[in-house]
Amino acid sequence: DAKTTQPNSMESNEEEPVHLPCNHSTISGTDYIHWYRQLPSQGPEYVIHGLTSNVNNRMASLAIAEDRKSSTLILHRATLRDAAVYYCILRGPGAGSYQLTFGKGTKLSVIP
Amino acid sequence: ETGVTQTPRHLVMGMTNKKSLKCEQHLGHNAMYWYKQSAKKPLELMFVYNFKEQTENNSVPSRFSPECPNSSHLFLHLHTLQPEDSALYLCASSPPGQLYMNTEAFFGQGTRLTVV
Repeated sequence: DAKTTQPNSMESNEEEPVHLPCNHSTISGTDYIHWYRQLPSQGPEYVIHGLTSNVNNRMASLAIAEDRKSSTLILHRATLRDAAVYYCILRGPGAGSYQLTFGKGTKLSVIP
Repeated sequence: ETGVTQTPRHLVMGMTNKKSLKCEQHLGHNAMYWYKQSAKKPLELMFVYNFKEQTENNSVPSRFSPECPNSSHLFLHLHTLQPEDSALYLCASSPPGQLYMNTEAFFGQGTRLTVV
Protein backbone atom coordinates (compact mmCIF):
# COMPACT_ATOMS: atom_id res chain seq x y z
CA ASP A 1 0.00 0.00 0.00
CA ALA A 2 1.13 3.55 -0.74
CA LYS A 3 2.18 5.53 2.33
CA THR A 4 0.53 8.54 3.88
CA THR A 5 1.99 11.36 5.97
CA GLN A 6 0.03 13.19 8.65
CA PRO A 7 0.95 15.67 11.38
CA ASN A 8 1.35 14.00 14.76
CA SER A 9 -1.10 16.30 16.53
CA MET A 10 -3.43 19.23 16.05
CA GLU A 11 -5.57 21.39 18.27
CA SER A 12 -8.89 23.01 17.61
CA ASN A 13 -11.29 25.15 19.54
CA GLU A 14 -14.74 23.76 20.11
CA GLU A 15 -17.29 24.74 17.45
CA GLU A 16 -14.53 25.81 15.06
CA PRO A 17 -13.84 24.05 11.74
CA VAL A 18 -10.90 21.65 11.64
CA HIS A 19 -8.83 20.80 8.58
CA LEU A 20 -6.77 17.63 8.95
CA PRO A 21 -4.18 17.24 6.17
CA CYS A 22 -2.79 14.07 4.63
CA ASN A 23 -0.04 13.72 2.03
CA HIS A 24 0.05 10.69 -0.24
CA SER A 25 2.40 11.59 -3.05
CA THR A 26 2.83 7.99 -4.26
CA ILE A 27 -0.88 7.30 -4.60
CA SER A 28 -1.85 5.20 -7.62
CA GLY A 29 -4.80 5.90 -9.87
CA THR A 30 -6.87 3.11 -8.34
CA ASP A 31 -6.24 3.87 -4.65
CA TYR A 32 -9.17 5.09 -2.60
CA ILE A 33 -8.49 7.57 0.22
CA HIS A 34 -10.07 6.46 3.48
CA TRP A 35 -10.28 8.20 6.84
CA TYR A 36 -10.90 6.49 10.13
CA ARG A 37 -10.82 7.81 13.65
CA GLN A 38 -10.26 6.17 17.00
CA LEU A 39 -11.75 7.58 20.14
CA PRO A 40 -10.04 6.72 23.43
CA SER A 41 -10.50 3.09 24.46
CA GLN A 42 -12.55 2.24 21.37
CA GLY A 43 -12.02 0.51 18.05
CA PRO A 44 -11.46 2.59 14.92
CA GLU A 45 -14.52 4.09 13.30
CA TYR A 46 -15.01 4.82 9.62
CA VAL A 47 -15.34 8.51 8.78
CA ILE A 48 -15.33 8.97 5.01
CA HIS A 49 -13.64 7.87 1.80
CA GLY A 50 -13.27 9.01 -1.80
CA LEU A 51 -11.44 8.47 -5.06
CA THR A 52 -11.24 11.71 -7.03
CA SER A 53 -14.16 13.98 -6.21
CA ASN A 54 -14.80 15.74 -2.93
CA VAL A 55 -17.16 13.86 -0.65
CA ASN A 56 -19.55 14.90 2.08
CA ASN A 57 -21.36 12.87 4.70
CA ARG A 58 -22.99 13.52 8.03
CA MET A 59 -19.67 13.30 9.87
CA ALA A 60 -17.25 15.21 7.69
CA SER A 61 -16.13 16.37 4.26
CA LEU A 62 -13.19 15.08 2.26
CA ALA A 63 -11.39 17.46 -0.05
CA ILE A 64 -9.09 15.74 -2.56
CA ALA A 65 -6.43 17.69 -4.43
CA GLU A 66 -6.67 17.70 -8.19
CA ASP A 67 -3.44 15.70 -8.53
CA ARG A 68 -4.63 13.39 -5.70
CA LYS A 69 -1.31 13.69 -3.90
CA SER A 70 -2.94 15.16 -0.84
CA SER A 71 -6.32 15.32 0.84
CA THR A 72 -7.94 17.14 3.74
CA LEU A 73 -10.54 15.90 6.17
CA ILE A 74 -12.81 18.71 7.24
CA LEU A 75 -14.84 18.67 10.43
CA HIS A 76 -17.20 21.60 10.07
CA ARG A 77 -17.76 22.26 13.78
CA ALA A 78 -15.49 20.45 16.18
CA THR A 79 -17.09 19.11 19.32
CA LEU A 80 -15.45 17.55 22.35
CA ARG A 81 -16.58 14.16 21.03
CA ASP A 82 -14.37 14.67 17.98
CA ALA A 83 -11.22 14.44 20.08
CA ALA A 84 -9.59 11.32 18.65
CA VAL A 85 -6.74 9.99 16.54
CA TYR A 86 -7.53 10.42 12.85
CA TYR A 87 -6.01 8.04 10.32
CA CYS A 88 -5.64 8.62 6.58
CA ILE A 89 -5.32 5.31 4.73
CA LEU A 90 -5.04 4.31 1.08
CA ARG A 91 -6.83 1.19 -0.15
CA GLY A 92 -6.24 -0.19 -3.59
CA PRO A 93 -5.63 -3.40 -5.54
CA GLY A 94 -2.44 -5.37 -5.14
CA ALA A 95 -0.80 -7.95 -2.95
CA GLY A 96 -1.88 -7.74 0.68
CA SER A 97 -4.43 -5.18 -0.27
CA TYR A 98 -7.27 -6.51 1.86
CA GLN A 99 -5.64 -5.09 4.91
CA LEU A 100 -6.12 -1.62 6.31
CA THR A 101 -2.64 -0.41 7.21
CA PHE A 102 -2.71 2.15 9.99
CA GLY A 103 0.01 4.70 10.57
CA LYS A 104 0.39 6.89 13.62
CA GLY A 105 -2.39 9.25 12.57
CA THR A 106 -3.11 12.75 13.85
CA LYS A 107 -4.19 13.19 17.43
CA LEU A 108 -6.82 15.90 17.49
CA SER A 109 -7.41 17.76 20.73
CA VAL A 110 -10.52 19.93 21.06
CA ILE A 111 -10.35 22.82 23.47
CA PRO A 112 -13.60 23.83 25.18
CA GLU B 1 -22.86 -0.34 17.58
CA THR B 2 -20.93 -1.35 14.47
CA GLY B 3 -22.32 -4.82 13.96
CA VAL B 4 -19.03 -6.43 14.97
CA THR B 5 -19.17 -7.90 18.46
CA GLN B 6 -16.14 -8.96 20.43
CA THR B 7 -16.15 -10.98 23.63
CA PRO B 8 -14.95 -10.72 26.26
CA ARG B 9 -14.36 -6.99 26.55
CA HIS B 10 -11.72 -7.47 29.23
CA LEU B 11 -9.55 -10.47 29.98
CA VAL B 12 -6.84 -11.11 32.54
CA MET B 13 -4.86 -14.29 32.10
CA GLY B 14 -1.78 -15.92 33.50
CA MET B 15 1.14 -16.89 31.34
CA THR B 16 0.25 -20.59 31.54
CA ASN B 17 -3.45 -20.14 30.75
CA LYS B 18 -5.27 -20.89 27.51
CA LYS B 19 -8.04 -18.53 26.50
CA SER B 20 -9.90 -17.53 23.35
CA LEU B 21 -11.15 -14.24 21.99
CA LYS B 22 -14.31 -14.27 19.91
CA CYS B 23 -15.49 -12.00 17.13
CA GLU B 24 -18.87 -12.18 15.44
CA GLN B 25 -20.49 -10.23 12.62
CA HIS B 26 -23.72 -10.69 10.70
CA LEU B 27 -23.09 -7.96 8.13
CA GLY B 28 -22.61 -10.38 5.26
CA HIS B 29 -18.90 -9.63 5.13
CA ASN B 30 -16.46 -12.30 4.09
CA ALA B 31 -13.19 -10.67 5.08
CA MET B 32 -12.27 -10.60 8.77
CA TYR B 33 -9.18 -9.26 10.50
CA TRP B 34 -7.37 -9.37 13.84
CA TYR B 35 -5.39 -6.30 14.89
CA LYS B 36 -3.24 -5.70 17.95
CA GLN B 37 -2.84 -2.28 19.53
CA SER B 38 -0.17 -1.95 22.19
CA ALA B 39 0.12 1.17 24.29
CA LYS B 40 1.17 4.20 22.26
CA LYS B 41 1.75 2.15 19.09
CA PRO B 42 -0.12 2.08 15.78
CA LEU B 43 -2.53 -0.73 15.11
CA GLU B 44 -0.69 -3.81 13.87
CA LEU B 45 -2.43 -6.22 11.52
CA MET B 46 -2.07 -9.80 12.76
CA PHE B 47 -4.24 -12.00 10.53
CA VAL B 48 -6.62 -11.69 7.60
CA TYR B 49 -9.25 -14.20 6.58
CA ASN B 50 -11.06 -14.03 3.27
CA PHE B 51 -13.92 -16.46 2.73
CA LYS B 52 -12.68 -18.47 5.74
CA GLU B 53 -9.19 -18.84 4.25
CA GLN B 54 -6.24 -17.19 5.93
CA THR B 55 -4.65 -14.79 3.45
CA GLU B 56 -2.31 -12.83 5.72
CA ASN B 57 -0.18 -13.74 8.71
CA ASN B 58 2.10 -10.88 9.59
CA SER B 59 4.84 -12.87 11.36
CA VAL B 60 2.70 -13.43 14.42
CA PRO B 61 4.15 -15.80 17.09
CA SER B 62 2.57 -19.24 17.23
CA ARG B 63 1.21 -18.60 20.72
CA PHE B 64 -1.54 -16.73 18.84
CA SER B 65 -3.66 -19.13 16.82
CA PRO B 66 -6.56 -17.82 14.72
CA GLU B 67 -9.59 -19.82 13.66
CA CYS B 68 -12.33 -18.89 11.21
CA PRO B 69 -15.00 -21.62 11.16
CA ASN B 70 -17.35 -19.58 8.97
CA SER B 71 -17.60 -16.11 7.48
CA SER B 72 -19.42 -14.76 10.52
CA HIS B 73 -17.11 -15.90 13.29
CA LEU B 74 -13.44 -15.39 14.04
CA PHE B 75 -11.52 -16.62 17.05
CA LEU B 76 -8.08 -15.90 18.42
CA HIS B 77 -6.78 -18.72 20.61
CA LEU B 78 -4.16 -17.68 23.14
CA HIS B 79 -1.69 -19.89 25.00
CA THR B 80 1.49 -19.33 27.00
CA LEU B 81 1.39 -15.60 26.42
CA GLN B 82 3.95 -13.14 27.72
CA PRO B 83 3.30 -9.90 29.65
CA GLU B 84 4.34 -7.92 26.55
CA ASP B 85 1.33 -9.43 24.75
CA SER B 86 -0.92 -7.28 26.91
CA ALA B 87 -2.78 -5.03 24.48
CA LEU B 88 -6.11 -4.16 22.92
CA TYR B 89 -7.08 -6.81 20.38
CA LEU B 90 -9.42 -5.60 17.69
CA CYS B 91 -11.50 -7.50 15.18
CA ALA B 92 -12.74 -5.99 11.93
CA SER B 93 -14.74 -7.09 8.92
CA SER B 94 -15.30 -5.81 5.41
CA PRO B 95 -16.76 -6.92 2.10
CA PRO B 96 -14.50 -9.12 0.00
CA GLY B 97 -12.90 -8.78 -3.39
CA GLN B 98 -12.67 -5.49 -5.19
CA LEU B 99 -15.56 -4.10 -3.13
CA TYR B 100 -13.28 -3.61 -0.14
CA MET B 101 -11.61 -0.60 -1.76
CA ASN B 102 -14.84 1.34 -2.06
CA THR B 103 -16.47 0.57 1.23
CA GLU B 104 -15.83 0.77 4.91
CA ALA B 105 -14.45 -1.71 7.37
CA PHE B 106 -16.26 -2.19 10.64
CA PHE B 107 -14.38 -2.64 13.89
CA GLY B 108 -15.43 -4.20 17.15
CA GLN B 109 -14.85 -2.49 20.47
CA GLY B 110 -11.89 -4.71 21.20
CA THR B 111 -10.78 -7.01 23.99
CA ARG B 112 -8.45 -5.45 26.54
CA LEU B 113 -6.04 -8.27 27.40
CA THR B 114 -3.75 -8.23 30.40
CA VAL B 115 -1.20 -11.02 30.83
CA VAL B 116 0.08 -11.43 34.37
